[in-house]
Amino acid sequence: NAGVTQTPKFRILKIGQSMTLQCTQDMNHNYMYWYRQDPGMGLKLIYYSVGAGITDKGEVPNGYNVSRSTTEDFPLRLELAAPSQTSVYFCASSYSAGNGETQYFGPGTRLLVL
Amino acid sequence: AQSVTQLDSQVPVFEEAPVELRCNYSSSVSVYLFWYVQYPNQGLQLLLKYLSGSTLVKGINGFEAEFNKSQTSFHLRKPSVHISDTAEYFCAVSGRGQAGTALIFGKGTTLSVSS
Repeated sequence: NAGVTQTPKFRILKIGQSMTLQCTQDMNHNYMYWYRQDPGMGLKLIYYSVGAGITDKGEVPNGYNVSRSTTEDFPLRLELAAPSQTSVYFCASSYSAGNGETQYFGPGTRLLVL
Repeated sequence: AQSVTQLDSQVPVFEEAPVELRCNYSSSVSVYLFWYVQYPNQGLQLLLKYLSGSTLVKGINGFEAEFNKSQTSFHLRKPSVHISDTAEYFCAVSGRGQAGTALIFGKGTTLSVSS
């Protein structure tokens, strides 16, 4: 099993450009999450999904969009990149939530907006 | 709502010394507690978690943590650290039965083990 995979590993964007961060999991998990990690700030939840076709905002959703058309994939879209979106982005998944389930994390995408 | 405070941002220790990474939490509901580890340039992986029952939880790589409800703490300990334990450690909490809240993370503690 590959677990949670993310592409690309690293990307440089110019201000105003757009891009999609890809996330795929092969564990048949219902729940998927996007976090961003900034130095000294821990991880903040951007969006999450409880299943195909169902998404909801997390703590810091502004400037991002998501979709979930399949169980396996949960892409994160940045429409107009801003320097404040420079961060490391982690995708995670879990079978369910609310019962102490372990979340499994991908290796991350490092994004630099200049 | 929940919050997590990791009391030390950096902890330097020598190899084979004991270490404790401190975590306090705040919540209006019962919680589950987690410790995750992030090695350099990698994603997070679970070290251990507290769900219920015994307050002493054992995890991977010789780590353990103790849940203290009265002090709202979940400190992580290891009796003898190795160079390979150098990493960032995150304490996290989730509310029982709250499916939509995911994990609330602390800001992390950087453990630096030197010889």
